[in-house]
Amino acid sequence: GQQLNQSPQSMFIQEGEDVSMNCTSSSIFNTWLWYKQDPGEGPVLLIALYKAGELTSNGRLTAQFGITRKDSFLNISASIPSDVGIYFCAGRKGGSEKLVFGKGTKLTVNP
Amino acid sequence: NAGVTQTPKFQVLKTGQSMTLQCAQDMNHNSMYWYRQDPGMGLRLIYYSASEGTTDKGEVPNGYNVSRLNKREFSLRLESAAPSQTSVYFCASSARGGGGGEKLFFGSGTQLSVL
Repeated sequence: GQQLNQSPQSMFIQEGEDVSMNCTSSSIFNTWLWYKQDPGEGPVLLIALYKAGELTSNGRLTAQFGITRKDSFLNISASIPSDVGIYFCAGRKGGSEKLVFGKGTKLTVNP
Repeated sequence: NAGVTQTPKFQVLKTGQSMTLQCAQDMNHNSMYWYRQDPGMGLRLIYYSASEGTTDKGEVPNGYNVSRLNKREFSLRLESAAPSQTSVYFCASSARGGGGGEKLFFGSGTQLSVL
């Protein structure tokens, strides 16, 4: 079964607020990725992280690869209505060909 | 660029019917994947193909078969559909199978209902 715990499951925020979500595991991962899914579409890659401690930004989005290699965090600053969607974390263990996905965080932004 | 193209977009089946979901990518990727997405369950891997000529089971393979027809195409077949297979199905591809932080590119999905 799935091995990534993603939280929170859902968030309801006001436009302009900052958002934080995270993904944890009992296992070590070598790669962490964050995806966003718009309604009716497939997930789109936002940020990829390859080294423990790595901090990477993509516009208003910032993601970090936890130093224990068992977690990752995504922050969105100054949210806007088009940030709505489901955000998924995904991880890959060393020696594995497969990505494991979290269950997603559904974000709603009220104008 | 079309990226990853899935057909059909929507499908309704009766229990016991069969159908094949088609997927094609034009990015010259080696690896292709089929996922299903259910409410509250995230994305679960059904089957994947690390390279042309190979296929492997993922997390939830029961009730499905796949064919890697060539490097571009990877199809998913339901031989005898069951209501539990009602889901949204996504095809994805990546530049390389195996290690190295592969980045998946997803199609827009097939919404399947089995009555």
